[in-house]
Amino acid sequence: DSGVTQTPKHLITATGQRVTLRCSPRSGDLSVYWYQQSLDQGLQFLIQYYNGEERAKGNILERFSAQQFPDLHSELNLSSLELGDSALYFCASSVGASDTYEQYFGPGTRLTVT
Amino acid sequence: TQLLEQSPQFLSIQEGENLTVYCNSSSVFSSLQWYRQEPGEGPVLLVTVVTGGEVKKLKRLTFQFGDARKDSSLHITAAQPGDTGLYLCAGASYSGGYQKVTFGTGTKLQVIP
Repeated sequence: DSGVTQTPKHLITATGQRVTLRCSPRSGDLSVYWYQQSLDQGLQFLIQYYNGEERAKGNILERFSAQQFPDLHSELNLSSLELGDSALYFCASSVGASDTYEQYFGPGTRLTVT
Repeated sequence: TQLLEQSPQFLSIQEGENLTVYCNSSSVFSSLQWYRQEPGEGPVLLVTVVTGGEVKKLKRLTFQFGDARKDSSLHITAAQPGDTGLYLCAGASYSGGYQKVTFGTGTKLQVIP
């Protein structure tokens, strides 16, 4: 158990819909990262938040957005869903202030768009 | 754009054999991590290497960071079926004052009993 929690574990929805994925980081971690993992694309970095502020952006689509709240939990919002958005979405957290950089991953949310 | 290429992409071996997985880049990293991921679960951190030339051992796993901090290797001795999984390397660097992490392309290992 990494200490990072994600909900829901599974999500099935239709094209065009909007979903919200939730992540709670490890106690004491200030950074939260979101990743998308599909069979043909590997682990793709989407976005990072540090202490409530956006820190880095990766390959995140304009239809996707995220935020980190004062209690440090984070939400990833996916809208106008397409079939190709079906994937595992992982959240990871780290202390975020050290050069010896380590991330701890949650169990993931499996999104299926039908 | 930083890229981390892992090789091989897929490896299927018999229990008891040795293997090495490589992680290569043209970029320098301040630190490098190795993760193992099992199907349907999140990656689990195995080790972090920081110093060029550093070698770390974790039971039957040996990790090495290249002298120039651009590459790394993972060697498994006497592989066991429990070693089966996706192995990912991840390099950390600074860009624009912020830390950035790049994950490798992954090596899928299958150890056959």
